Amino acid sequence: AQSVTQLGSHVSVSEGALVLLRCNYSSSVPPYLFWYVQYPNQGLQLLLKYTSAATLVKGINGFEAEFKKSETSFHLTKPSAHMSDAAEYFCAVSESGANSKLTFGKGITLSVRP
Amino acid sequence: DAMVIQNPRYQVTQFGKPVTLSCSQTLNHNVMYWYQQKSSQAPKLLFHYYDKDFNNEADTPDNFQSRRPNTSFCFLDIRSPGLGDAAMYLCATSNRPNYGYTFGSGTRLTVV
Repeated sequence: AQSVTQLGSHVSVSEGALVLLRCNYSSSVPPYLFWYVQYPNQGLQLLLKYTSAATLVKGINGFEAEFKKSETSFHLTKPSAHMSDAAEYFCAVSESGANSKLTFGKGITLSVRP
Repeated sequence: DAMVIQNPRYQVTQFGKPVTLSCSQTLNHNVMYWYQQKSSQAPKLLFHYYDKDFNNEADTPDNFQSRRPNTSFCFLDIRSPGLGDAAMYLCATSNRPNYGYTFGSGTRLTVV
């Protein structure tokens, strides 16, 4: 069975600082990995995805993530935080197949201090 | 723009009174999903349709049902809402699930 672990529930950074949100996965087959962002009272927006092509994936809003198979990790980074990045971030994993389903981690709240 | 639309954005219902949430899509995706998200928790899959084939998660309560009359629309019916059913309900679609889902803005359900 697939699963995602996001350690911690809250990360706080200063504006302009590096953002690092950690995600580790468990999957019995090569996974597909995703990061989603959720603003208050909104749905989830896809930030980026790993689908077995390049291991360094660039997404929207300056975010990127690196797939490391040896570490079973898919950490999300952004070099310089902006106030508008404050939101909830979910890592998710999916396996291959037409009936594949996304399994989400519990999410991390990112706060950005002025 | 092509998108996933959920109506209403906010729904208040009485304890035990049936309620229906709706989702429509203009993406022509063949898979539609319903997720329940409680406060400060991850979204939890309730069920999904692959075309007309309904797939229920094992731990989804019988109180929750779904209908998909055509490709564009999908409904979530809660037969007898309890206080514990208060949550954000998210609809999502996909044509190639391994490439990610497109989510609607959600319906926040309050049970009074």
